[in-house]
Amino acid sequence: AQRVTQPEKLLSVFKGAPVELKCNYSYSGSPELFWYVQYSRQRLQLLLRHISRESIKGFTADLNKGETSFHLKKPFAQEEDSAMYYCALSGFQGGSEKLVFGKGTKLTVNP
Amino acid sequence: GAGVSQTPSNKVTEKGKYVELRCDPISGHTALYWYRQSLGQGPEFLIYFQGTGAADDSGLPNDRFFAVRPEGSVSTLKIQRTERGDSAVYLCASSLKASSYNSPLHFGNGTRLTVT
Repeated sequence: AQRVTQPEKLLSVFKGAPVELKCNYSYSGSPELFWYVQYSRQRLQLLLRHISRESIKGFTADLNKGETSFHLKKPFAQEEDSAMYYCALSGFQGGSEKLVFGKGTKLTVNP
Repeated sequence: GAGVSQTPSNKVTEKGKYVELRCDPISGHTALYWYRQSLGQGPEFLIYFQGTGAADDSGLPNDRFFAVRPEGSVSTLKIQRTERGDSAVYLCASSLKASSYNSPLHFGNGTRLTVT
């Protein structure tokens, strides 16, 4: 079974500080991992996906298969980064491909 | 263009009643997903459609829950004999095709269901 764990429910940092949101996963196959973000009063939206190896809004995430992790990082947090962040894994389960989400981490960036 | 639209945005119903939640996906998106998000939790998969057929309904919690997508576009999630535990935000998402790797999910704003 596929599982995503985000150990921190809440994370608070000051503006300009580095931030790391942790994500660990469990999946027997080759995982496809994503970070979704939900800003206040907005819909859930894709932030980035591991296969693209992209940097979006200054965020990056590296897939570490040895540690089964996909932590989200940003060197200098901004106040507008405050949001709920969900790590998600796409994999086959029960004969079809599903996107499974972690419980989310609420990031607050203080001025 | 227009995103995924869900109606109503809020629904309050009494225990035991029947409710229908509607989802209008992005035009041309063949895959449609329903998720449920309870307080403090991440979205939990319920069912997904590829075209008109339910390709995977393994996430539906019991037979009180049912969903249809008769013409391969709009979908309706139906809940019979609602219970207080059904209270949650019901999210709909669509993608161009079933593989979420190639086609990220686009979410609606959700319907907040409250069962009193």
